[in-house]
Amino acid sequence: AQRVTQPEKLLSVFKGAPVELKCNYSYSGSPELFWYVQYSRQRLQLLLRHISRESIKGFTADLNKGETSFHLKKPFAQEEDSAMYYCALTPVSGGYNKLIFGAGTRLAVHP
Amino acid sequence: DAGVTQSPTHLIKTRGQQVTLRCSPKSGHDTVSWYQQALGQGPQFIFQYYEEEERQRGNFPDRFSGHQFPNYSSELNVNALLLGDSALYLCASSLRGHGYTFGSGTRLTVV
Repeated sequence: AQRVTQPEKLLSVFKGAPVELKCNYSYSGSPELFWYVQYSRQRLQLLLRHISRESIKGFTADLNKGETSFHLKKPFAQEEDSAMYYCALTPVSGGYNKLIFGAGTRLAVHP
Repeated sequence: DAGVTQSPTHLIKTRGQQVTLRCSPKSGHDTVSWYQQALGQGPQFIFQYYEEEERQRGNFPDRFSGHQFPNYSSELNVNALLLGDSALYLCASSLRGHGYTFGSGTRLTVV
């Protein structure tokens, strides 16, 4: 079964603290993994994808195939990072790739 | 570029009625996917349209149907509405299934 699990519904930290949003996936093949973010009153948007291996807004995510995890990390949280974060995977099968989302984690960064 | 446009933004329907939601994809995109997001959950894939045909379908009953027009815009139809169909319906467009851009969604309330 294809599944994405985000074990934390809410992660609350203080400004300047490190952040790690957990994501585990279940998929028999080699999926492509993503993190999407939704800021207050804004639409869902792509934050980063594992194949890019880039850092966006200070966030990074490493794909660990052995642990089937794709945790999102940032060394120093900022108040503007407060948002809803969704981990998602897409089965790599042809060009028509649906997204399978986790339930999301709300990150609250306090001053 | 207005990005992905969805209409209406909010809708209230009575149980048993039928509803049609509309989506205009981002300029240059040819593929439209629909997602249902229940309160507190991540988006769930309903189906995807490319070249006016349904290419993939998620685990949704036949009450959910769609259409894609020659200009790539799309409609989502839901028949015999149930209370459990109350959700945010998201449209995402892409170029041949890669690089999704999401709309702001239509909030459907079934009473």
